Amino acid sequence: GEDVEQSLFLSVREGDSSVINCTYTDSSSTYLYWYKQEPGAGLQLLTYIFSNMDMKQDQRLTVLLNKKDKHLSLRIADTQTGDSAIYFCAESETGANNLFFGTGTRLTVIP
Amino acid sequence: DAGITQSPRHKVTETGTPVTLRCHQTENHRYMYWYRQDPGHGLRLIHYSYGVKDTDKGEVSDGYSVSRSKTEDFLLTLESATSSQTSVYFCATSGTGETYEQYFGPGTRLTVT
Repeated sequence: GEDVEQSLFLSVREGDSSVINCTYTDSSSTYLYWYKQEPGAGLQLLTYIFSNMDMKQDQRLTVLLNKKDKHLSLRIADTQTGDSAIYFCAESETGANNLFFGTGTRLTVIP
Repeated sequence: DAGITQSPRHKVTETGTPVTLRCHQTENHRYMYWYRQDPGHGLRLIHYSYGVKDTDKGEVSDGYSVSRSKTEDFLLTLESATSSQTSVYFCATSGTGETYEQYFGPGTRLTVT
């Protein structure tokens, strides 16, 4: 299957920016997604970006896509303790409904 | 949030017993999915459905079967549970919009002893 990789852990101080990175191998990816999982809960869609875009901003969230390097990042501005969670990137292929998920990055926000 | 419920939310069962997990959605979404989540592996697709009675295998389908007799319900069956199937199972749905985003249920924690 397609390979989607993330670092496992990230710690930041409250108020700082967090940057969570993701690399993928599938050159036919159409959409790339960021999901958030809080403890004991399912995954919640945060945002997505179409593969022909470089950047998407949504309030405190900024998604950057470098299609040449197959690198996706999620920046959270002014990180709060409520942002502590596991963040998953995922990608879908053209015309397909299946998503391929990374292993998830556990973000810990230190007060 | 899409109306997706899973039952049971927690289950402990013994090796060799059959187990059925249920996913119910109220969004009339065409596509439904079963994933398992394990440490270090993220989410892995077990089976998915693209309509009533239409299902297909995912990445880790061995030991699992599914059925979808109604749009709103998608059942996952472990025919003879093994300890390696101890995991958290998530159901997801998606509609026919162009962005393919999936909406997830709250998960079922299954322990096979």
